[in-house]
Amino acid sequence: DAGVTQSPTHLIKTRGQHVTLRCSPISGHKSVSWYQQVLGQGPQFIFQYYEKEERGRGNFPDRFSARQFPNYSSELNVNALLLGDSALYLCASSLNTRRQTQYFGPGTRLLVL
Amino acid sequence: EDQVTQSPEALRLQEGESSSLNCSYTVSGLRGLFWYRQDPGKGPEFLFTLYSAGEEKEKERLKATLTKKESFLHITAPKPEDSATYLCAVQAEGAGKSTFGDGTTLTVKP
Repeated sequence: DAGVTQSPTHLIKTRGQHVTLRCSPISGHKSVSWYQQVLGQGPQFIFQYYEKEERGRGNFPDRFSARQFPNYSSELNVNALLLGDSALYLCASSLNTRRQTQYFGPGTRLLVL
Repeated sequence: EDQVTQSPEALRLQEGESSSLNCSYTVSGLRGLFWYRQDPGKGPEFLFTLYSAGEEKEKERLKATLTKKESFLHITAPKPEDSATYLCAVQAEGAGKSTFGDGTTLTVKP
């Protein structure tokens, strides 16, 4: 079975631009979470979606938004990019919201210049 | 607020030299504690989930244990391919997010 897939793998943007990152969960998984990982630190929680509804939001500005589609794939959108948004963006999927072991994708490396 | 502290930040071992990584946590009602392995530039790879104090899980040279305040990842007779960053995370009851520590970077020299 395919694991969590993310696209694109790498992305270079300039300050002020907008970016959309995409994630497809493991088949049968209905929950998707997004994390930001800055070099040298652990992943920081951004959003969780389950059955197309937002179930959790981390301490990130409103420039960050996300949605989940009927096929359980998800998009993370970031507006008005800042240099500090440069990071590895990770998507994780889990079966549901109880005892949810999260399985991570390979990530999207975003560089903002 | 949930907190996870991992120690040491970095650990260098000779091949075959066993050791342990520590994960101390505070959480309001533990739903689960997770260990991941992360290679440079890649996403975390799931290793173990522990749910309650006293629980232990093993996989090859790795063994994870859990108490009410901390978890240990024991590495027995490590090999160079075990070199990676090991991340610990906790989830609280009723929460959708995992709170991660900053990891321990393990280097195993041949």
